[in-house]
Amino acid sequence: GAVVSQHPSRVICKSGTSVKIECRSLDFQATTMFWYRQFPKQSLMLMATSNEGSKATYEQGVEKDKFLINHASLTLSTLTVTSAHPEDSSFYICSAREGNTDTQYFGPGTRLTVL
Amino acid sequence: AQSVTQLDSQVPVFEEAPVELRCNYSSSVSVYLFWYVQYPNQGLQLLLKYLSGSTLVKGINGFEAEFNKSQTSFHLRKPSVHISDTAEYFCAVSSPGGNKLTFGTGTQLKVEL
Repeated sequence: GAVVSQHPSRVICKSGTSVKIECRSLDFQATTMFWYRQFPKQSLMLMATSNEGSKATYEQGVEKDKFLINHASLTLSTLTVTSAHPEDSSFYICSAREGNTDTQYFGPGTRLTVL
Repeated sequence: AQSVTQLDSQVPVFEEAPVELRCNYSSSVSVYLFWYVQYPNQGLQLLLKYLSGSTLVKGINGFEAEFNKSQTSFHLRKPSVHISDTAEYFCAVSSPGGNKLTFGTGTQLKVEL
């Protein structure tokens, strides 16, 4: 149980385009989903927290207009990187939490490369 | 604010030897503690967690960790490692009822023949 999927696993795009990443909880209802960014050989940095049906809460320094997060259902959250630039290239990982439990389950990650 | 320190960025060890990966945390409130493992180009997999109760926690793949409140530590141990344990290991902390996980910088465990 507690499986989280991400799609796509890898994406390459041109500078200036937008990219959407999906995060799905497959066997549970995720009232809260989290989006992280991980640079090579570094730890995970929380970008934002999203609760189903409400606006995401962004961490300090994360541009909400650049990283659009939508949590439209209890099993799906999307992260859209708008007008992507090479410095946005990174590994993006989502996680999901069921109800008020204290454990986050992580997706397999999406490798974004912006040319 | 909470923080997690993983002092060892890399730990080389021979196969079948024991290993300990160190994790220390700082928090002004009670904590929940987690260890996650990350294989190359993959997401994080939960190894074990401490929420309350017994301070010795057993997880998957033969790993265990002990919560030591006085030393603010949650070290991860395995009595005999395997080549397949080669991966990045992250310690993380959250507060009960809190949203955020705060991660350490990770420890690369490299198991050699």
